[in-house]
Amino acid sequence: ETGVTQTPRHLVMGMTNKKSLKCEQHLGHNAMYWYKQSAKKPLELMFVYSLEERVENNSVPSRFSPECPNSSHLFLHLHTLQPEDSALYLCASSQEPAGDPTDTQYFGPGTRLTVL
Amino acid sequence: QQQVKQSPQSLIVQKGGISIINCAYENTAFDYFPWYQQFPGKGPALLIAIRPDVSEKKEGRFTISFNKSAKQFSLHIMDSQPGDSATYFCAASNSYSGTYKYIFGTGTRLKVLA
Repeated sequence: ETGVTQTPRHLVMGMTNKKSLKCEQHLGHNAMYWYKQSAKKPLELMFVYSLEERVENNSVPSRFSPECPNSSHLFLHLHTLQPEDSALYLCASSQEPAGDPTDTQYFGPGTRLTVL
Repeated sequence: QQQVKQSPQSLIVQKGGISIINCAYENTAFDYFPWYQQFPGKGPALLIAIRPDVSEKKEGRFTISFNKSAKQFSLHIMDSQPGDSATYFCAASNSYSGTYKYIFGTGTRLKVLA
C-alpha cells in the first residue's frame, strides 16, 4: 500500500450504531487530519494530530471521537450519529509536525458514510 | 471574512478549450493559495499553489493568476482535456498563523467534452 488508505470505503449505519473509520498513512508523515466533505459545502477540518497529539478540535460534536495510537494510524469513532452526518470523511497527512499550511497535505480516498 | 467564494459551481468546456475557475477572499492575512483536484472516488490532490508575491504561476497547462488588490485568484486550464474532468477546490491559508487550517471554496465540477 502506498500513500494514504482509508477503510471502509463505504459505511451505512443506523443512528444507534457505533462504528469506526480507519486511516493509515504510509508516507512517514508526522501530522494527520480528519475532514468532512458534504455536497456543495467547503471541506471542513475536524481534527488535527501532530506527533500523535491532538492539536485541533474544530468544534466537532462529541459523537465523533478521534484516536491516534501512532503516527501512521488515525481512527474516527462514531456513535449516535444523525442523518446530517452523512458525508464523505477524508483523512489526510502531512510531513511537518508543526502543521505548516504550505506543507502539502496528502488525502486518502475517503469513507462514504450514510446514516439512516 | 474567513470565507473563500468560488465560482462557477460547474463548468462544461470543449476539448482544447480554456477552463477558468475563480476564487475571491476577504482576509488580507491569507498568504498561501493552493488549488486541489479531486477525481470521483479519490481524495483531493494538490495541483498547484501560489503566494501573493507573484501574480502568476504556471505548471504545464495549469496557471494560477493572482490579483492581490482585488483579493481574487483564478485557475486557468489551457488546452483542456477529458482527463481534466474533476472537481477543483481553491483554498487559502495564513502561513504565519501557526494553524493548519485551509479555508476551502465550495468546489467547481469541471466536465471537458471529447
